[in-house]
Amino acid sequence: GENVEQHPSTLSVQEGDSAVIKCTYSDSASNYFPWYKQELGKRPQLIIDIRSNVGEKKDQRIAVTLNKTAKHFSLHITETQPEDSAVYFCAASGAGGSYIPTFGRGTSLIVHP
Amino acid sequence: DGGITQSPKYLFRKEGQNVTLSCEQNLNHDAMYWYRQDPGQGLRLIYYSQIVNDFQKGDIAEGYSVSREKKESFPLTVTSAQKNPTAFYLCASSFNRGRYEQYFGPGTRLTVT
Repeated sequence: GENVEQHPSTLSVQEGDSAVIKCTYSDSASNYFPWYKQELGKRPQLIIDIRSNVGEKKDQRIAVTLNKTAKHFSLHITETQPEDSAVYFCAASGAGGSYIPTFGRGTSLIVHP
Repeated sequence: DGGITQSPKYLFRKEGQNVTLSCEQNLNHDAMYWYRQDPGQGLRLIYYSQIVNDFQKGDIAEGYSVSREKKESFPLTVTSAQKNPTAFYLCASSFNRGRYEQYFGPGTRLTVT
């Protein structure tokens, strides 16, 4: 089955800096890669996703890049703000037509004011 | 927040008792899921259901049971056979035809003593 590795497990930055979280996946047939943000005690919420037919997608201060050859994808947050502090999860799905996602273990992002 | 609800938010039980967690959605989603979340472990899939009256085991189904009698509802029972039931439980739903985004409920924090 699919295996998703996510790094780093913890990321600490100063407000205004950029943050990058990286994930690798094992099944080259996966074709959908979402990112979820989970604030403390709250539900995960989809913040951005990318499909395998594009290499990059942006939404204001966040962007996701996908390298299908290397089987890795990354979340980029620019001009970080304290409210960006949360746990971020990547996931991969779509291999063999399966919509069941395999999640990474999460990255705790701390933005210091 | 997506039309998927879970109740109760907090639940306390004595060891040896079965407990049922509720999950309801009004998004007309076909698929529903149950995840368990422990610190540092990400999201682990317990059970999922693609259609009414059908469900499949996920990665950590032992000690849990589910039913899917209605499209809108997917209750999870944590049985006394579950060795370490204290955790944060998240329900999610999605379409299962070409659209992979998952929407999460607010979660139930179960404490068993």
